[in-house]
Amino acid sequence: KAGVTQTPRYLIKTRGQQVTLSCSPISGHRSVSWYQQTPGQGLQFLFEYFSETQRNKGNFPGRFSGRQFSNSRSEMNVSTLELGDSALYLCASSWTGMNTEAFFGQGTRLTVV
Amino acid sequence: AQRVTQPEKLLSVFKGAPVELKCNYSYSGSPELFWYVQYSRQRLQLLLRHISRESIKGFTADLNKGETSFHLKKPFAQEEDSAMYYCALQGQGAQKLVFGQGTRLTINP
Repeated sequence: KAGVTQTPRYLIKTRGQQVTLSCSPISGHRSVSWYQQTPGQGLQFLFEYFSETQRNKGNFPGRFSGRQFSNSRSEMNVSTLELGDSALYLCASSWTGMNTEAFFGQGTRLTVV
Repeated sequence: AQRVTQPEKLLSVFKGAPVELKCNYSYSGSPELFWYVQYSRQRLQLLLRHISRESIKGFTADLNKGETSFHLKKPFAQEEDSAMYYCALQGQGAQKLVFGQGTRLTINP
């Protein structure tokens, strides 16, 4: 069975631009979570979606947003990019989200210049 | 507040030696604890979770609620155990994972 797929794998953007990242969960999984990974802060939770509704949100500014479609695919958007947004963005899917195993994608490496 | 602390950023041991990766947590209720592993050029994957009480690849972890710890142990390290290890906490009824900073384990031949 196919794993969690994230596209694109790499992105280079300029400060002030916006970016959209995509995540396709494992078939049947309805929960999708997003994490930001940086050398300084480690892995930090961004938000979680279940059945097209945001259920939980981390401590990130409003420039970070997301959505989930009826097929459970999810996108996250970052507007007005800052240099500090450079990071590896990981998506994880699970059956229901509640205390179930999370399966991670390979991540999207975003570089802001 | 939910917090996970892995005190060792780097850990190096010889093949065949015992390994212990430390993890301490802070959570007011009864959390679920996990160990995730990331091998070179691979995605983050679940190694084990405390609720299953399994031994995966020779690794075990015991939840000590009194000491709020969830240390990962293996009696005899193998070279293929070299990887980045993350301890993670999940609150009751939640999906959000709170990760520690990770420990890079290197097994020397």
